[in-house]
Amino acid sequence: AQSVTQLDSHVSVSEGTPVLLRCNYSSSYSPSLFWYVQHPNKGLQLLLKYTSAATLVKGINGFEAEFKKSETSFHLTKPSAHMSDAAEYFCVVLPHNAGNNRKLIWGLGTSLAVNP
Amino acid sequence: DTEVTQTPKHLVMGMTNKKSLKCEQHMGHRAMYWYKQKAKKPPELMFVYSYEKLSINESVPSRFSPECPNSSLLNLHLHALQPEDSALYLCASSQVRGFLIGTNYGYTFGSGTRLTVV
Repeated sequence: AQSVTQLDSHVSVSEGTPVLLRCNYSSSYSPSLFWYVQHPNKGLQLLLKYTSAATLVKGINGFEAEFKKSETSFHLTKPSAHMSDAAEYFCVVLPHNAGNNRKLIWGLGTSLAVNP
Repeated sequence: DTEVTQTPKHLVMGMTNKKSLKCEQHMGHRAMYWYKQKAKKPPELMFVYSYEKLSINESVPSRFSPECPNSSLLNLHLHALQPEDSALYLCASSQVRGFLIGTNYGYTFGSGTRLTVV
């Protein structure tokens, strides 16, 4: 069965310090992986995606994530947090199983707070 | 145009009302989706349209009725809703590669309609 686990429901950092949001997945098939961000009362924005090319993926706003197959992880990082990074972050898996109608599998989300 | 536009942004309706949510995209995406999102939760898939045909219905109650009149438009008709249906309703679109829905290119989401049922 496919699943996504975001290891922290809430992360709090100080402005200017590094951000680490952790995501582990379980998939019988080699998946595509995504990170989405949702600011308060807003829709979802794609931060970055892994689609079996380079394992280190760079996204928007200085975020990046590394796909580690041996650890089944896809952690999101940023060297220096900004106040505007405060939001909900979702790790999402799209399994490459055979057949039609592949569905996104969502983690429960990590709420990132950035303190001045 | 790289956006998915949803209207209205906010909607308050009574339990006997009929209303519709609208979603529009002009990116040439042939797969469109409705999601429901409760506060502090991930989105839950409701419906998927592929090439304007309903492809997935995630056992959604019949008081929600989707419609895809053309490749750019997706509607969600609401009737006799319950207070527990209050949520953020998100529309998304994606490319369709062959018959596989949800390609590697990611989904583009709209900003959502905040629905309150009173």
